[in-house]
Amino acid sequence: AQSVAQPEDQVNVAEGNPLTVKCTYSVSGNPYLFWYVQYPNRGLQFLLKYITGDNLVKGSYGFEAEFNKSQTSFHLKKPSALVSDSALYFCAVRGTGTALIFGKGTTLSVSS
Amino acid sequence: DVKVTQSSRYLVKRTGEKVFLECVQDMDHENMFWYRQDPGLGLRLIYFSYDVKMKEKGDIPEGYSVSREKKERFSLILESASTNQTSMYLCASRGSGTDYGYTFGSGTRLTVV
Repeated sequence: AQSVAQPEDQVNVAEGNPLTVKCTYSVSGNPYLFWYVQYPNRGLQFLLKYITGDNLVKGSYGFEAEFNKSQTSFHLKKPSALVSDSALYFCAVRGTGTALIFGKGTTLSVSS
Repeated sequence: DVKVTQSSRYLVKRTGEKVFLECVQDMDHENMFWYRQDPGLGLRLIYFSYDVKMKEKGDIPEGYSVSREKKERFSLILESASTNQTSMYLCASRGSGTDYGYTFGSGTRLTVV
């Protein structure tokens, strides 16, 4: 079965420090992977995606993600966190159909 | 930019009511989706549609139906609302090309009392 796991419900980091939000996936065939961010009472905003090509993908707001096929991971990273990065982050993989399968989300809290 | 519009941000309905959640996209996308979002459960797929009048069940279709009479509009219907359908509902659309971009609406927070 295809699935996405976000092993951390919450990640806490101090402003200016690097951040990592973890994601692992299980999918048959080549994975199409996505990261989205959600601010309170809002819809999902696209951050970045991996379809093919370079394993390091750069996205919006200074975020990047590294695709690791052997570890079936797609961790989200940012070199220097901002308080405004505090939000709920979702990792997703495209399933066998056309719909996205989401992880349960990770709340990122950046303290000043 | 693609715009996905959900007609209501907040809705309060009574148990047993028939509820319609509307979603409209403006980019001629073939694929449209309805998800519900609950704390700790992430987003779960209710239904999706890959063309007019075509629909497929997602992971949690029980208690819901959908309608897609026009390409731009995808409606989620709660036939008889129940309190366990209180949730945030998110609509999304995607074209069929190689872009693979999914665009989400702002969501409808439905409370069933």
